[in-house]
Amino acid sequence: AQSVTQLGSHVSVSEGALVLLRCNYSSSVPPYLFWYVQYPNQGLQLLLKYTTGATLVKGINGFEAEFKKSETSFHLTKPSAHMSDAAEYFCAVRAGGYNKLIFGAGTRLAVHP
Amino acid sequence: GAGVSQSPSNKVTEKGKDVELRCDPISGHTALYWYRQSLGQGLEFLIYFQGNSAPDKSGLPSDRFSAERTGGSVSTLTIQRTQQEDSAVYLCASSPLEAGGLYEQYFGPGTRLTVT
Repeated sequence: AQSVTQLGSHVSVSEGALVLLRCNYSSSVPPYLFWYVQYPNQGLQLLLKYTTGATLVKGINGFEAEFKKSETSFHLTKPSAHMSDAAEYFCAVRAGGYNKLIFGAGTRLAVHP
Repeated sequence: GAGVSQSPSNKVTEKGKDVELRCDPISGHTALYWYRQSLGQGLEFLIYFQGNSAPDKSGLPSDRFSAERTGGSVSTLTIQRTQQEDSAVYLCASSPLEAGGLYEQYFGPGTRLTVT
């Protein structure tokens, strides 16, 4: 069975600082991994995804994530935080042939001046 | 183009009443998913439709929950005899059917259900 653990329910950074949101997964098959962002009162928006191939994945809004099989991790990073990055971020793994997603509990990112 | 839409955006109902939540997927998207987002449980999968059939209903929490999809398009999630623990945001997502591909899911804004 697949599962996802996000370390840290709340992360706070200064504007311009590095953003690091942690995600570890468990999967009995090669995983397909995703990061989604949710702004207040909105649905989920895909930031990036890993399927196969290159382990460093670049997404929208300057975010990227690196798939590390040995560490079963898929951490999300951004070199320089912007105020508009304040949102909730969800890591997810595909579960089964119907592509349903198993989500982590989410990390709320706060960016302060 | 138009994204996934859901209605109503907010629904307040009394305990014991039935509610219907609607999802309009992106035109042409064959796959449709319902998820629930609640404080206690996070984001949970409820049900998956491929066309009008639902091959995966494993996430429906009880027999009070049901869903249907008609014309390969609109889907309705029905909750009978609502309970306070049903209070949550119900999210719908759709994705295209791409042979051999990984189907990106596009999410709607959700319906916030409050059971009083």
